[in-house]
Amino acid sequence: DAKTTQPNSMESNEEEPVHLPCNHSTISGTDYIHWYRQLPSQGPEYVIHGLTSNVNNRMASLAIAEDRKSSTLILHRATLRDAAVYYCIPSPNAGNMLTFGGGTRLMVKP
Amino acid sequence: GAVVSQHPSWVICKSGTSVKIECRSLDFQATTMFWYRQFPKQSLMLMATSNEGSKATYEQGVEKDKFLINHASLTLSTLTVTSAHPEDSSFYICSASRAGVGAGANVLTFGAGSRLTVL
Repeated sequence: DAKTTQPNSMESNEEEPVHLPCNHSTISGTDYIHWYRQLPSQGPEYVIHGLTSNVNNRMASLAIAEDRKSSTLILHRATLRDAAVYYCIPSPNAGNMLTFGGGTRLMVKP
Repeated sequence: GAVVSQHPSWVICKSGTSVKIECRSLDFQATTMFWYRQFPKQSLMLMATSNEGSKATYEQGVEKDKFLINHASLTLSTLTVTSAHPEDSSFYICSASRAGVGAGANVLTFGAGSRLTVL
């Protein structure tokens, strides 16, 4: 599995954009980049995934570097409900098991 | 969207007893389910991979005789913690992989988790 590096924690103000970085320099050419988040005392929740092109959905945007060695999850307007641990996970297919690293704990201040 | 239901959400039991946790995919068929364990302030650790109709595959260090997994149908997998001890107290989370193809095929859906406390 590709190794990932994410900041342990980040802070954001409510209603402001948040950029959560992830380095995955050992990612293989066929690995997708998945992002999940885990709210307190809950199971992880799918956020977004992509392969090469930037991706947008109703929750977030995913910006993938051209060399695919890093990616950034973008929350356009953070809300208090977005406070969670965000995990970046390279995987050949999310239908297979996912290996979770430490993730980034996002704190959102009102 | 895909929903995975996990039950019970929390359970307290005495040391030496067995506890069963159920994981159901409510609106899709799950050929594969995964069981994770999460200790406080730690990340999720995969325990085992459960395939419908066959034996589960356990990760290194996970005792298969202690953590019994049954995946008898495409919508139900169970994890039984046998002879539970205080060190088994943890947050157990299941996830399910969709069968087939489509927009949701590449997404794992997780249950809400089951918090086990062994006294």
